[in-house]
Amino acid sequence: AQSVTQLGSHVSVSEGALVLLRCNYSSSVPPYLFWYVQYPNQGLQLLLKYTSAATLVKGINGFEAEFKKSETSFHLTKPSAHMSDAAEYFCAGGQGAQKLVFGQGTRLTINP
Amino acid sequence: GAGVSQSPSNKVTEKGKDVELRCDPISGHTALYWYRQSLGQGLEFLIYFQGNSAPDKSGLPSDRFSAERTGGSVSTLTIQRTQQEDSAVYLCASSLRALSTYEQYFGPGTRLTVT
Repeated sequence: AQSVTQLGSHVSVSEGALVLLRCNYSSSVPPYLFWYVQYPNQGLQLLLKYTSAATLVKGINGFEAEFKKSETSFHLTKPSAHMSDAAEYFCAGGQGAQKLVFGQGTRLTINP
Repeated sequence: GAGVSQSPSNKVTEKGKDVELRCDPISGHTALYWYRQSLGQGLEFLIYFQGNSAPDKSGLPSDRFSAERTGGSVSTLTIQRTQQEDSAVYLCASSLRALSTYEQYFGPGTRLTVT
């Protein structure tokens, strides 16, 4: 069965610093991969998705992620953190149809 | 256009009561998903619909949980004889088709508290 693992339940960075949120997938077949962001008391908003068209995927709000098959990873990065980036981030994977399998989430805190 | 809407936004119920949670997907989206978000379990898939059919109900935690979708639009998730462990945020999502290439758009969720 497919699984998605996010390393680090909490990540804290200074404003203006690099953001790196880690995600690894476990699947014999590379899945479709997604990063979602959740602000307090809101639903999930799609940041970006990988569907095999390109390994480097650019998303909204300056985020991007690189699919690395050799490392089974899909880490999320942003060159310069902003206070408004503070939220919870979820990596998710899907194969074929149906459901998404989510990682446990990473809470990102931005220090002024 | 309008996004996915869910009602109620909050629901407090007593243990043993039945509850119904409603989801209105984005117009034209044929696929609809239910997930549950809780502190201990993270985000868990419950069930999905393609049209009015539910090909995958594998995530429903017990036979107290059921869901239906009518007219290829609105869906209702029903929890019978609620238990305290049912307390969670129930999220609904919709997508154009039930394929992973299509992103899922999430509603704001219904926060269920069982006392």
